[in-house]
Amino acid sequence: GAGVSQTPSNKVTEKGKYVELRCDPISGHTALYWYRQSLGQGPEFLIYFQGTGAADDSGLPNDRFFAVRPEGSVSTLKIQRTERGDSAVYLCASSLLGLAGESSYNEQFFGPGTRLTVL
Amino acid sequence: AQKITQTQPGMFVQEKEAVTLDCTYDTSDQSYGLFWYKQPSSGEMIFLIYQGSYDEQNATEGRYSLNFQKARKSANLVISASQLGDSAMYFCAMREAKFGNEKLTFGTGTRLTIIP
Repeated sequence: GAGVSQTPSNKVTEKGKYVELRCDPISGHTALYWYRQSLGQGPEFLIYFQGTGAADDSGLPNDRFFAVRPEGSVSTLKIQRTERGDSAVYLCASSLLGLAGESSYNEQFFGPGTRLTVL
Repeated sequence: AQKITQTQPGMFVQEKEAVTLDCTYDTSDQSYGLFWYKQPSSGEMIFLIYQGSYDEQNATEGRYSLNFQKARKSANLVISASQLGDSAMYFCAMREAKFGNEKLTFGTGTRLTIIP
């Protein structure tokens, strides 16, 4: 089956504009994650959905960032009033259950990412 | 809070040789999982291997093995018989195993280059 897909693959915008990044997880995966990867760094957690609800949004840097997953499948990461510091690769991942809890194993399958450049 | 440290920004290895990529971690939890991911130039993160904190044996997956030393809090990745296709960024990551925490914490990565 298909893996995690993300659109667009590249997005160039101007400072102050609004952008939406889309993630289509693996079919049947209930958990969906957003990470941000700045140049030369590892991915940093932003938000995690279990089904339709955001179970953990502790990684969102400020209130300009918002994400939704209205039907428990596709998710959209929304960034308002973009700033140059928002430039990064935004990675989406999904996992089958996402309720690993006290089990440490929870394999996350990543998409190719969206490279966002804010001019 | 969990933290991952990868001290090797870049490594060059001759094809067919073995290579060890270092990873140390910091956590106060007793139950956690350690993961290694490969990120080729295409950008996609590819899962390689997993080690649970209570696993008594080191994890192995084909040419990949994880040298897990719990007392030293290290989880080094060993790639045997390296191939040109192994050239990529490699990230060590951790998840503390407790309810409500599903996120992975990543290190800064090591760029591995295989020399023919």
